[in-house]
Amino acid sequence: GQQLNQSPQSMFIQEGEDVSMNCTSSSIFNTWLWYKQDPGEGPVLLIALYKAGELTSNGRLTAQFGITRKDSFLNISASIPSDVGIYFCAGRYTGANSKLTFGKGITLSVRP
Amino acid sequence: DGGITQSPKYLFRKEGQNVTLSCEQNLNHDAMYWYRQDPGQGLRLIYYSQIVNDFQKGDIAEGYSVSREKKESFPLTVTSAQKNPTAFYLCASSRAATVYEQYFGPGTRLTVT
Repeated sequence: GQQLNQSPQSMFIQEGEDVSMNCTSSSIFNTWLWYKQDPGEGPVLLIALYKAGELTSNGRLTAQFGITRKDSFLNISASIPSDVGIYFCAGRYTGANSKLTFGKGITLSVRP
Repeated sequence: DGGITQSPKYLFRKEGQNVTLSCEQNLNHDAMYWYRQDPGQGLRLIYYSQIVNDFQKGDIAEGYSVSREKKESFPLTVTSAQKNPTAFYLCASSRAATVYEQYFGPGTRLTVT
């Protein structure tokens, strides 16, 4: 099946710093979603993107649908301790009856 | 408050026993999904249902079964045929199968010994 690549597996930043993470695919996707998961909880939808080039913000979070339609980016500005968690990208590639594919996630740690 | 509930949060079973995980939603969503999450892995789709009384296999359906008798409920049974059942199970729903924004429940951690 289709795969989404998220790397690195872990990121460590200082409180107040900005952080950027990306998600790439070998196929063209027509939907990108970004989720955050706290330990032992279900993922929470942060941002949904449906159009190439689309830039959407949700508070300190900004996500972009890449122009090539094979990638997406998530930026977190002025990080705070509660930003700690696992950030997953998910996407749907073009194709009949295709379902969401999830990346393996990036674990973000924020040092106070 | 609208949302998805999964119960119980933690479940322990002996090997060889079937176990059913509950998922209920009051979002009036047509589509519901079951995923399995293992450490360091992305979510893998087990089963999904686009409408009541209809469901399809996902990528890893072997050893699992589901039913969708009511719009609000989509229980998952982990059977004794599932070789590695210990995992974190997540239920999700979306307004329709063609709407890709999925909303997740809090998950059930199943441990089989």
